[in-house]
Amino acid sequence: GAGVSQSPRYKVAKRGQDVALRCDPISGHVSLFWYQQALGQGPEFLTYFQNEAQLDKSGLPSDRFFAERPEGSVSTLKIQRTQQEDSAVYLCASSFRRNNGYTFGSGTRLTVV
Amino acid sequence: GQNIDQPTEMTATEGAIVQINCTYQTSGFNGLFWYQQHAGEAPTFLSYNVLDGLEEKGRFSSFLSRSKGYSYLLLKELQMKDSASYLCAVRDSRDDKIIFGKGTRLHILP
Repeated sequence: GAGVSQSPRYKVAKRGQDVALRCDPISGHVSLFWYQQALGQGPEFLTYFQNEAQLDKSGLPSDRFFAERPEGSVSTLKIQRTQQEDSAVYLCASSFRRNNGYTFGSGTRLTVV
Repeated sequence: GQNIDQPTEMTATEGAIVQINCTYQTSGFNGLFWYQQHAGEAPTFLSYNVLDGLEEKGRFSSFLSRSKGYSYLLLKELQMKDSASYLCAVRDSRDDKIIFGKGTRLHILP
């Protein structure tokens, strides 16, 4: 597609519920990144894929967070047993080459109640 | 590790010039980015500096000094639509991750 697409745009989850956030990167983009952005803060790195390989997951805040990109295109970020502190905007970004800037999706705003 | 500092908020007047500073400490440096983010929207790419000096792109310019760990974004002829957050981000040469600062919220007054 023309841009990075994320769905859903908004998600309200009850505490303890599992959620899955989807990211469709730009076609042909090799690198895919997930960021978490709290209100009024900059994006915080979560994890990074190159094709289907997850090269870095050091930013995932707990083992309740899991990301996959099984065929090297679409990626899913899953959060199990959501907590209120998980409320944030989750941004996905992709790039064509290692030395390119990122193109961001519009994000998924997750609210845990 | 990396540390990126930029002012939390700035205010400027329509038609004026504003400079947003960013300082960074990093174990490995491979480029500095500036992104613009309007409230509720995704960050959009503004500029990329990897060598020292000034890069000019229309009303926006970005400067880098690697020896000082310092960059600035210069916005000229400010317009109301420039009201946004401006994110400074540094790429780590060891793993190519891009790490963001907390952003500077720029308010433009008429």
